[in-house]
Amino acid sequence: DTAVSQTPKYLVTQMGNDKSIKCEQNLGHDTMYWYKQDSKKFLKIMFSYNNKELIINETVPNRFSPKSPDKAHLNLHINSLELGDSAVYFCASSLHSRLAGAGGELFFGEGSRLTVL
Amino acid sequence: AQKITQTQPGMFVQEKEAVTLDCTYDTSDQSYGLFWYKQPSSGEMIFLIYQGSYDEQNATEGRYSLNFQKARKSANLVISASQLGDSAMYFCAMRERQSGGYQKVTFGTGTKLQVIP
Repeated sequence: DTAVSQTPKYLVTQMGNDKSIKCEQNLGHDTMYWYKQDSKKFLKIMFSYNNKELIINETVPNRFSPKSPDKAHLNLHINSLELGDSAVYFCASSLHSRLAGAGGELFFGEGSRLTVL
Repeated sequence: AQKITQTQPGMFVQEKEAVTLDCTYDTSDQSYGLFWYKQPSSGEMIFLIYQGSYDEQNATEGRYSLNFQKARKSANLVISASQLGDSAMYFCAMRERQSGGYQKVTFGTGTKLQVIP
């Protein structure tokens, strides 16, 4: 059983289209994340949810809309895709802890490679 | 200002030798966590090692150890007895508290390690 699974793994689409990436975790974690990894391999956090509540929303264009129907799922919908959206999108999950120095590591999905033509 | 700094974009190491990958961080919190992840060319993110800010001993996991120097705010990864399979990108990351009590994990820019036979 994959701990954090993302679908699809590859996505090729035209500019202007709308697409979604789905993520599910079976680890019982209460916090989930979306990260974007660009062509230079830089990993930037986009969103984080804790028990379905949005807790981190970085400066991401509002064409990106996350949705968490329950604490095991976090989806990412992207409207009006642009060339610059081409990247690998990683979903991750972790246990929440009141202390940042405690708690576990992030478990990552395999990534979803989005190519916008 | 960068929260996590990895100053070595690329490193070479001879097989069976030890190598140190540098990481410095910036936080004013007392409670935080530090991680190292490995990303091979296949793209998945593999958790290697974790150090909590209150941990007095350096973390070790097999051939990986984290040289934690709190006063210097450094968390270098040491890989002993390098193997060809260690060739990958290595990311340092930090978890710290945000306003509102939630936590955010920020990644450095990564170091590409190549192990030479």
